[in-house]
Amino acid sequence: NAGVMQNPRHLVRRRGQEARLRCSPMKGHSHVYWYRQLPEEGLKFMVYLQKENIIDESGMPKERFSAEFPKEGPSILRIQQVVRGDSAAYFCASSREAGGPPLHFGNGTRLTVT
Amino acid sequence: TQLLEQSPQFLSIQEGENLTVYCNSSSVFSSLQWYRQEPGEGPVLLVTVVTGGEVKKLKRLTFQFGDARKDSSLHITAAQTGDTGLYLCAGAEMESSGDKLTFGTGTRLAVRP
Repeated sequence: NAGVMQNPRHLVRRRGQEARLRCSPMKGHSHVYWYRQLPEEGLKFMVYLQKENIIDESGMPKERFSAEFPKEGPSILRIQQVVRGDSAAYFCASSREAGGPPLHFGNGTRLTVT
Repeated sequence: TQLLEQSPQFLSIQEGENLTVYCNSSSVFSSLQWYRQEPGEGPVLLVTVVTGGEVKKLKRLTFQFGDARKDSSLHITAAQTGDTGLYLCAGAEMESSGDKLTFGTGTRLAVRP
C-alpha cells in the first residue's frame, strides 16, 4: 500500500511565477492536510480538505494561496506570484477519517523561490 | 492558537547516554503525538498518547502524557547514533476540525559515536 505521495520533490520558481504542489493520499483516505515547514522550525497547519470540500483553511495566507481536492485526482496546493518568503517544505498528510488513525505524511515538496 | 514548546531545542550527546525531551503547553490536548523527522523526509509517527498520565514504551523510548494532558516527555535510554534526528511533538486540539495538529518547535538530537 503506497504511502502519501507528493510531487515534485523539489520545485524551483522565480519570483512572480506560480507553484503547483500535488498530493495523492494513501489509498482509502479521503482527508488531506497541508502543512508548511520553514527551515529549522516545526510544521504549521495550512488547510484541511475532504473530497471536493475545504473544511478548515485557517492556516492559509489570505492571498495567493489556494487548495483543492477534487473528486478525482490528487489534492493541489497552488501558490500564485511566489515570493522568496514562500520558500519552504510543504508537507501533505492524509487520514481515513476525521478523529481516526494518526496522520501519515508524505516526504514533502521543497519549494525554492529565486 | 495553541502553542507547544519543546526543550531543549538542540541536544548533542555521546552514544550510550540517556536523554529527555520535553513538550509543554498551557492548553489541553485530546491526544498528543511524537514524530521523528530525517533530513529531506516527512515526519514519521512514533507514538500517540491519549489518556492523562499514560506511559508508552517503544524499545528504548518511553513516552509520557501529563496528567492534565498539557505536556509530554520523551525519554531515550542508551542513545544510539541511529536516534539522530528532529523530534517533534504534536497535539490534537480539543475542538479542532478533523486531525488538525499543532506542532512543537522541535528538538534536534545529535548522537555522537
